[in-house]
Amino acid sequence: DAGVIQSPRHEVTEMGQEVTLRCKPISGHNSLFWYRQTMMRGLELLIYFNNNVPIDDSGMPEDRFSAKMPNASFSTLKIQPSEPRDSAVYFCASSLFAGNSPLHFGNGTRLTVT
Amino acid sequence: AQTVTQSQPEMSVQEAETVTLSCTYDTSESDYYLFWYKQPPSRQMILVIRQEAYKQQNATENRFSVNFQKAAKSFSLKISDSQLGDAAMYFCAYRANSGNTPLVFGKGTRLSVIA
Repeated sequence: DAGVIQSPRHEVTEMGQEVTLRCKPISGHNSLFWYRQTMMRGLELLIYFNNNVPIDDSGMPEDRFSAKMPNASFSTLKIQPSEPRDSAVYFCASSLFAGNSPLHFGNGTRLTVT
Repeated sequence: AQTVTQSQPEMSVQEAETVTLSCTYDTSESDYYLFWYKQPPSRQMILVIRQEAYKQQNATENRFSVNFQKAAKSFSLKISDSQLGDAAMYFCAYRANSGNTPLVFGKGTRLSVIA
C-alpha cells in the first residue's frame, strides 16, 4: 500500500501567486480530509469529502481557498491569490467510511508564501 | 461542538522511564472513538493507539497504553520504557461515530526524551 501521496513536499511562492496542492488517497478509502497545521492554531480541518462529495467546508478560511475531488483517486487544494499568512503545513488524509477507521495522513506540503 | 484539550504543551522523560500525557475532551455523543497520533520531526502523522468508547478495557500497543475514563471524559497516554525515538509531538484526537466525521485534534504535547 503506497499510503496517501501529497505533492509537492515543499512549495515556496510569492504573495499573489496561485498555489495548487495535490493529494492521492489510499485506494479504496472513500473519505478525504484536508488539514492545515500552524504553530498558533494547531491542526485545523479545512474541508472533507465523502465519496468525492464535499461535506463540510466551513473550515476553509476564505474564498481564496478552494478544493476539488474530481474522482476517488485525486484531490486538489487551491489558494488564489496566496498571502503570507497562508504559510503552513497542509495535510491530506484519507479513511474508510467508519468512525473507528483512523485517518491515514500524507507527509504534508510545507507552504511558504513570501 | 466537540473539543479536545491537551493541557501539557511540553513534557520530558528520562530514557527507560514512564511518562503519561493527558487529554480531555468534551462531547454530547455516546458513541465515539479516540486516537493518539505521533508526529516526529519528519512531520509524518503516525497512529499510535485507538480506543472505542463502548469498550471498558483500555487499549494497549506494546509500550503504549491508555487510561480511558469515559465519565470523566479523559483519555491519557502512557509510554513505558521510553526510548529516544519516542521524542515527538503527540496529538490526542476524537471522532464521533455519527456518519463519517473528521478527527478533532488537541493542540499537542511535545515530548522530549533525555538520554
